[in-house]
Order: sequence, then structure tokens, then C-alpha cells
Amino acid sequence: EIVLTQSPGTLSLSPGERATLSCRASHTVNNNRFAWCQQKPGQAPRLLIYGTSNRATGIPDRFRASGSGTDFTLTITRLEPEDFAVYYCQQYEIAPVTFGQGTRLELK
Amino acid sequence: QVQLVQSGSELKKPGASVKVSCRASGYSLTSYGMNWVRQAPGQGLEWMGWIATNTGNPAYADAFRGRFVFSLDIAGNAADLEISSLQAEDTAVYYCARKNLFSDAFDIWGQGTMITVSS
Repeated sequence: EIVLTQSPGTLSLSPGERATLSCRASHTVNNNRFAWCQQKPGQAPRLLIYGTSNRATGIPDRFRASGSGTDFTLTITRLEPEDFAVYYCQQYEIAPVTFGQGTRLELK
Repeated sequence: QVQLVQSGSELKKPGASVKVSCRASGYSLTSYGMNWVRQAPGQGLEWMGWIATNTGNPAYADAFRGRFVFSLDIAGNAADLEISSLQAEDTAVYYCARKNLFSDAFDIWGQGTMITVSS
């Protein structure tokens, strides 16, 4: 099983600032089968990024993602009020599909 | 509009069974696989497995073999999750999530179904 470890656990920032979220995998994730999703309180998760760096339909370009191997990053270039949420990384290359424990992005 | 619409919240007693329905709207269920994901209260996301909707063949994560069954209601364009012998630890929100045809990413999620197990 590929274990995903996200950091930091909580990130406190203000609107307009840049957010950088990290995810480290216990084993190499091949074929770019890596995603990020966003979850707001009381809502279902929403796909943000798939294939390591591709934005899902309707996701604004302030969400940028990169990475390879075992290290992956999600950057939100300029935070909007609606971006404060929990973010999960996910690998779907090898079963079982696994998620990171989440990074909570909170308003400073 | 493409969406997944799940059945409503349920309160069940320990030992009972429950079925969660996930109806596909705006597309044909059998064109895309369906994943199931569990989220216990205040916790993260846990993949339960998926079902190939063109064949009906399910695959379960180890923790979900035995009491959890994925099935299809083709006429209703829906995927179902049945949980038997419910335990308090099964209290969670259960999500269905579509498997994208090209990328395999979880591209569309249902709104979630809260299952509460309590005596």
C-alpha cells in the first residue's frame, strides 16, 4: 500500500497570499496517477487536479500542481475566500487507492 | 448536467443492514466505473473499492471484504452499496465517485450518504 503523508497539517494564511501544500508518497507513483481534491465543511470532495498537474473542469488557474516520483505539490497562487478548506492528495496508480490525511487551509 | 445523486441519511441499529443508492444523472452508468469512499466523523477519506459497471465485477479494499457489497441497478442507472451486520464503527458518510473513462481520476462525486449506527 502506498502511504501518502501531507504537510503541513494546518496552514493559516490570508486572502491574497500564496499557499503551498506538500504530499510525500512512501513509494514511487508512476504514470502520473496522482490527484488533489478539495473538501469544504459538509460537502463532498471535489476533484481539483488529476494526472499530477491537470486541472479538472472548471478549476481556476490559480491552482497549480506539480511533482513526480514520491514528492508532489499543490500551489494556490493567490488565495480567494472560497479556497479555505481541507485538501487531500490521492494516488490511484496502485490498489488500494490511498489518500493523504489532509491539509486544513484556514483563515489567518 | 452530469451528477451523482445519493439516497438519504439512515439511522440503523447494530446488526441491521442498509443499502445506499447512487444514481447517475446526465450519463449512462455503464460507461464509467464507480468507486466507493468512506469518511468517518471528523476523519479523512478511505477508499472502499470500485465496481466495473460494464461487467458488474466488483473489487474491494481489504478492510471492506465480507460485509460490504457493491451492485448495480441498471434499469435505475444506479450503483448500490449494501452493508450488512452493521456495527457502530460503520457510522460514516459514504460517497460514490465516478471513475473517469480516460484518466481513472475520481471526477464526479455524489453528495454523500450519512449512515448512523446506534442502539
